[in-house]
Amino acid sequence: GEDVEQSLFLSVREGDSSVINCTYTDSSSTYLYWYKQEPGAGLQLLTYIFSNMDMKQDQRLTVLLNKKDKHLSLRIADTQTGDSAIYFCAEISSGSARQLTFGSGTQLTVLP
Amino acid sequence: DGGITQSPKYLFRKEGQNVTLSCEQNLNHDAMYWYRQDPGQGLRLIYYSQIVNDFQKGDIAEGYSVSREKKESFPLTVTSAQKNPTAFYLCASRRTSGREDTQYFGPGTRLTVL
Repeated sequence: GEDVEQSLFLSVREGDSSVINCTYTDSSSTYLYWYKQEPGAGLQLLTYIFSNMDMKQDQRLTVLLNKKDKHLSLRIADTQTGDSAIYFCAEISSGSARQLTFGSGTQLTVLP
Repeated sequence: DGGITQSPKYLFRKEGQNVTLSCEQNLNHDAMYWYRQDPGQGLRLIYYSQIVNDFQKGDIAEGYSVSREKKESFPLTVTSAQKNPTAFYLCASRRTSGREDTQYFGPGTRLTVL
């Protein structure tokens, strides 16, 4: 079955880099995603990576994918207080529904 | 201004009542989804629809119903049969274009049972 796991909390100092980690189980997932959720809001798509890629960079965001270990990470460079939020890793199912399976989310706290 | 809208933002329900949550999109996406979010948890799929007049149950469909009469609209009804409906409900629509396969979410509806 599909399962996505993330650590629950991460605290970093403003200006440092943040690294949020995720492991997934469905090796047939073609896409993996990172979403950001601020309090009381919906999910904002931050970035995604196709399964045949090892890395994707988008401004301050770097996604690393290790397919062998089924490990995904999101690095946020120069973390700002506005980056404080919950970050969700998600994989897409290989079935016809193409539903997303989410981790429980990582609460990122940026300290001044 | 394209996007996904959900209404209302907050909804209060008495036990035994059915309530309907609205989801509208003007992104011209075929597929739409309803997810439920409980505190400290990820999202779980309730129902999805890949095309007008067709929808399928997700992982936690019991106590919920949907309709898809128009491409733009995918309302969710929370029935009295849903034993624990207090949650945050998120609607999404799916964009597929070339090598992109992504879901975009609305702002959510927080449902509280009194």
